[in-house]
Amino acid sequence: EPEVTQTPSHQVTQMGQEVILRCVPISNHLYFYWYRQILGQKVEFLVSFYNNEISEKSEIFDDQFSVERPDGSNFTLKIRSTKLEDSAMYFCASSSPGELFFGEGSRLTVL
Amino acid sequence: AQSVTQLDSQVPVFEEAPVELRCNYSSSVSVYLFWYVQYPNQGLQLLLKYLSGSTLVKGINGFEAEFNKSQTSFHLRKPSVHISDTAEYFCAVSDRAGTYKYIFGTGTRLKVLA
Repeated sequence: EPEVTQTPSHQVTQMGQEVILRCVPISNHLYFYWYRQILGQKVEFLVSFYNNEISEKSEIFDDQFSVERPDGSNFTLKIRSTKLEDSAMYFCASSSPGELFFGEGSRLTVL
Repeated sequence: AQSVTQLDSQVPVFEEAPVELRCNYSSSVSVYLFWYVQYPNQGLQLLLKYLSGSTLVKGINGFEAEFNKSQTSFHLRKPSVHISDTAEYFCAVSDRAGTYKYIFGTGTRLKVLA
């Protein structure tokens, strides 16, 4: 069964460092998403991506964040200068459109 | 814009008792509705979904939910819970157009007691 895969599963970084989280969506999907879940809180929408551009972003998705589909298969989330409050689980999802399929998540810990 | 309300942040229930986790949504357009379960330090697992058709939806692990358009609700039910059902449960809504993004509720922590 096709699935969304995310790497790394866990990353620890120092405050101020750049982080790139990677996702491989399901191959025939056209819509891509990133969500964030701070420990013990709800899952929050960050950004959606379609046709090689951002289709929608939330207030959380400020200038520190960027997304890219560099090679037609990967979908990345970059955080330019991490802050302590960026510590969270980040989920990637893709859809064809309609139902979203989520990856297992990348846990980011900022020290 | 859509929104989701999960009124109960925590629901304690004894093993083998029935449970209902409440979810209400708000949207100006037709929606898709979903329930996810999340075990500690794990990802999101889809329990069930309403896309169209029958308003009573059956999912995995013996869960079911009923879409009630007039009450804008999608409550999750299980007739007899097990200790292993202890987890966080999230309701989510998606519009049927636009970006198809999901909006999640704040979650309900189900704690099954022996």
